[in-house]
Amino acid sequence: DVKVTQSSRYLVKRTGEKVFLECVQDMDHENMFWYRQDPGLGLRLIYFSYDVKMKEKGDIPEGYSVSREKKERFSLILESASTNQTSMYLCASSQPASQETQYFGPGTRLLVL
Amino acid sequence: TQLLEQSPQFLSIQEGENLTVYCNSSSVFSSLQWYRQEPGEGPVLLVTVVTGGEVKKLKRLTFQFGDARKDSSLHITAAQPGDTGLYLCAGGKRSNDYKLSFGAGTTVTVRA
Repeated sequence: DVKVTQSSRYLVKRTGEKVFLECVQDMDHENMFWYRQDPGLGLRLIYFSYDVKMKEKGDIPEGYSVSREKKERFSLILESASTNQTSMYLCASSQPASQETQYFGPGTRLLVL
Repeated sequence: TQLLEQSPQFLSIQEGENLTVYCNSSSVFSSLQWYRQEPGEGPVLLVTVVTGGEVKKLKRLTFQFGDARKDSSLHITAAQPGDTGLYLCAGGKRSNDYKLSFGAGTTVTVRA
């Protein structure tokens, strides 16, 4: 059974804090993604990675960074959290090829006060 | 601006009724996927369509990819409360290899 896990389901942080969101997949997938999901806007791609230590900016990378030191783990970092980063964060993984399924984790709901 | 426009945004129907959700774009996609997301969970893939005009059926769900590969529809026959959820369409392009473009989603509520 395929599995993508995220370190926290709910997180409350203060403005200016450094926030780490962790994602682990057990499918040996090469591609991993971080999205944020906001009502009426759907899923917007923040960053993705197609290999260890490789990363590419998505559509909304400002205010975020990522790290992929191991194939199975992809971390999203908010260097200095702001209230407009309050959102649902979803991690996904897939194998290369545009038709391949993306498998999603359960999401982390982040509230920045 | 969303690359993929979904309509309607919200849909509330009685158990046993039929419903259709639309996903439209001015762009051509090499594949189109439909996901369902339940509250507090991540999206789960329902189907992938890759050929213009393709129709796929999954029990009471029928998915169609437009001839020009710019649009898609999801039709549910005799909806049940278990069909309640957020339905998302996502398009992939060969030139964009790893990335999908998502619609904003349609929230479907089926009342018992």
